[in-house]
Amino acid sequence: QKEVEQDPGPLSVPEGAIVSLNCTYSNSAFQYFMWYRQYSRKGPELLMYTYSSGNKEDGRFTAQVDKSSKYISLFIRDSQPSDSATYLCAMTASGTYKYIFGTGTRLKVLA
Amino acid sequence: DAGVIQSPRHEVTEMGQEVTLRCKPISGHDYLFWYRQTMMRGLELLIYFNNNVPIDDSGMPEDRFSAKMPNASFSTLKIQPSEPRDSAVYFCASRSTGTTTEAFFGQGTRLTVV
Repeated sequence: QKEVEQDPGPLSVPEGAIVSLNCTYSNSAFQYFMWYRQYSRKGPELLMYTYSSGNKEDGRFTAQVDKSSKYISLFIRDSQPSDSATYLCAMTASGTYKYIFGTGTRLKVLA
Repeated sequence: DAGVIQSPRHEVTEMGQEVTLRCKPISGHDYLFWYRQTMMRGLELLIYFNNNVPIDDSGMPEDRFSAKMPNASFSTLKIQPSEPRDSAVYFCASRSTGTTTEAFFGQGTRLTVV
């Protein structure tokens, strides 16, 4: 079993839809949770990060962490065609810089 | 700052040849990471350095892979001899010790071994 599991998609939604992206993990030591966005043929870019459990909102994006269920989510409201990309979750434990990534979910927002 | 710079952007080589990938991290960053990305396995950490010293190389797939960081502004990932299964996109990333967790990625090197 992988430490981090993520549905690869692809996920196609109409413009304006609410998108939900998810990851599950098995290592209870993970404390920092991140979402990266990767456009085609580019490197990943940090979108949001959360420490421990809870919610964090940034514009149209909301990140949620449920440590009891070992489950994290990224919600995108009012999705736009420019949101079309691969979204990777990543996580790491305190005291280490070893990021573990999910395989990524490919999202396509249709105009 | 120009960000993390990787070279070459694309590399096509024949099986058995030596391949060297290069990375210049962001100035002032003290951590450098090498990742490999494939469709099947996603983004895998190969090795990371702190202040030019390798900290964790447990992700290096086998002895054919080696990485060096001779100074704070340069790192190499070498594959010798290369095999078709090494075909992937290799990313370098850097970050600084601080209050955020962001690692900045380069544009990647797309390696094809034929």
